Amino acid sequence: QVQLQESGPRLVKPSETLSLTCSVSGYSVRSDDCWGWIRRPPGKGLEWIGGIFRSANTQYNPSLKSRLTISLDRSKNEFSLRLSSVTAADTAFYYCARQSCDSLGTYHFASWGQGTLVTVSS
Amino acid sequence: DIQMTQSPSTLSASVGDRVTITCRASQVINGWLAWYQQKPGKAPKLLIYKASSLESGVPSRFSGSGSGTEFTLTISSLQPDDFATYYCQQYHIYPLAFGGGTKVEIK
Repeated sequence: QVQLQESGPRLVKPSETLSLTCSVSGYSVRSDDCWGWIRRPPGKGLEWIGGIFRSANTQYNPSLKSRLTISLDRSKNEFSLRLSSVTAADTAFYYCARQSCDSLGTYHFASWGQGTLVTVSS
Repeated sequence: DIQMTQSPSTLSASVGDRVTITCRASQVINGWLAWYQQKPGKAPKLLIYKASSLESGVPSRFSGSGSGTEFTLTISSLQPDDFATYYCQQYHIYPLAFGGGTKVEIK
């Protein structure tokens, strides 16, 4: 069964770049897989950040697109998120997830990591 | 962009109660809707996909229904383990969107 684990700095300074990695275990990442990032600011609801599909295609939340990069490293069985120029509004629990998909489209998030709280503060 | 609106935002119920949560989409999403359960400090857990398909391992007291723009999640007999926050999510088109969440509390 696939397991996902987020890792990265828990504290980031304003204007700097937030970088997180999602390590995938119990499963070998394939070229036709779909992966995503979701966040939940404390006390608020879930927000879709973006995803990477079939190794190279990406979709980003328009509200974050100018600051966001999501990439996949099949050799390390992991995928990553980079969010630049962060502010306090980016403080949130960040989750990585495996998105169900096939040749016809992308669907629900079937498996999730435990999440990691990233705080933006000086 | 599609907006997802859940109601109520908070629900107080007792063990054994039948509970219904509603999710409305701002446009037709052709049934491409999922429901998740999240408990404090835990990752969201998939309950229902394609509006009414029960994820493997999820108790049968959970069910989903709806079409067009209106969908419901029903818990037929609320159990102590079900007190949590529930989210709907559309995956009809990008950007993907979640509802604001419904917290099910003990009455």
